Formats: sequence, structure tokens, C-alpha cells
Amino acid sequence: GAGVSQSPSNKVTEKGKDVELRCDPISGHTALYWYRQSLGQGLEFLIYFQGNSAPDKSGLPSDRFSAERTGGSVSTLTIQRTQQEDSAVYLCASSLLPAGGLYNEQFFGPGTRLTVL
Amino acid sequence: SQKIEQNSEALNIQEGKTATLTCNYTNYSPAYLQWYRQDPGRGPVFLLLIRENEKEKRKERLKVTFDTTLKQSLFHITASQPADSATYLCALVGTGGFKTIFGAGTRLFVKA
Repeated sequence: GAGVSQSPSNKVTEKGKDVELRCDPISGHTALYWYRQSLGQGLEFLIYFQGNSAPDKSGLPSDRFSAERTGGSVSTLTIQRTQQEDSAVYLCASSLLPAGGLYNEQFFGPGTRLTVL
Repeated sequence: SQKIEQNSEALNIQEGKTATLTCNYTNYSPAYLQWYRQDPGRGPVFLLLIRENEKEKRKERLKVTFDTTLKQSLFHITASQPADSATYLCALVGTGGFKTIFGAGTRLFVKA
């Protein structure tokens, strides 16, 4: 079946502009995560959505970042007034909700490479 | 604050040898520890998961150990192949089962 897809694959924008990044999770996966990966760095947790519960936004670096998940499927990460330090690869992952106390692996998309000039 | 450390220097080994990668963590009591593989330009791919009450987990040529006293995990690839060359990420999951903290990864090069 189809994996996690993200669009666009690359985005170049000018400082101060707003950008929207899209994630289509695997069908049936109710948990969705956003991460940021800067060059040579590990993945930085940004936000996750779990079913119909309130999202965990504890990783969002500033109030310029926001995310929503409509209809429990597609998610959009929005960065307002982009800064050069926002340049990174933004990765989305989805998983099944844990069942019976067992953690479920995350399936990652290919990422969106954001470059802020 | 919570911290995960992986060898920042690349690991170079000869084909057929065993590669051993280290993951150390502080200020955290994870319920699970995972290892992912990441190739250039791609998202990470899940390899193995080990729970806090498990000492060792194996899958084909892969072996993971988890020492919650030392706060360390070792990831072994036996009979390594050039196709194993990639970056390997260690990740910790808390008891809530969702928020995941990743290390920066160790780059592995396997020479033919």
C-alpha cells in the first residue's frame, strides 16, 4: 500500500513569507507526528496528533509554527514569517495507536526540504 | 534536560565484520528504545524496538541490547555488507508511548 507522502518535496522561500507543508499519512494510522531535521542533526520533535485528542504541541519552537489535522487524516504544518534558521528538512510520520500497551513503529515520509533565503 | 548521545564520528568497517553502534542517554527513563536507519534524502526506516524490561532483541543480522542501569543501548550488525552503509538513529519513547526523542545518528560506512 501507499506510504506516507509529503508535499512539496522542496520549498524555497524568502525570509518573512509564510509556508505550508502537507502530510498524507498511511490510511488507518491515527497517530501523526511532525519532526524537523537540520543538517547533521537528529530529528527534533515538533508536534503529534493522536486520534481525536488534543495534539501535543510541546515541541513547536515558536508561535510562528502551527499545525492542524483535518478529518483525522491529512495534516498541514504552517510556518509564518519564515526565518533563515527555519531552513531544514521537515519530516512527517504516522503510526497506529498503541494497542494493549504495545508501542507501534512510526512510518516516515520522504520529507520536505525547506530553504529560507 | 533529556539528552541522547550517539557517536558523531563516522564508523568505517570492512565488509564481513560486525559493526557496533552506541547510544547513551541521560535524564530519561524510556519505556522503549528504537533504532532506525536513514539513507541520504530519505526518511528514517524503523529497524528494531526493545522494551525497558528486555535485555536483548535480535532480528536477522541485527542485535540490540538495552542496559537501563548504564542508560545505554548497543546496536550490532553482524556480517556487515556495503548495503548496510547508512546513518543509524537511536530513539527513545516515554511511558506515554508517543513523544519520541531522537539522537543525531551515527554514519556507518562498510567497505567492500
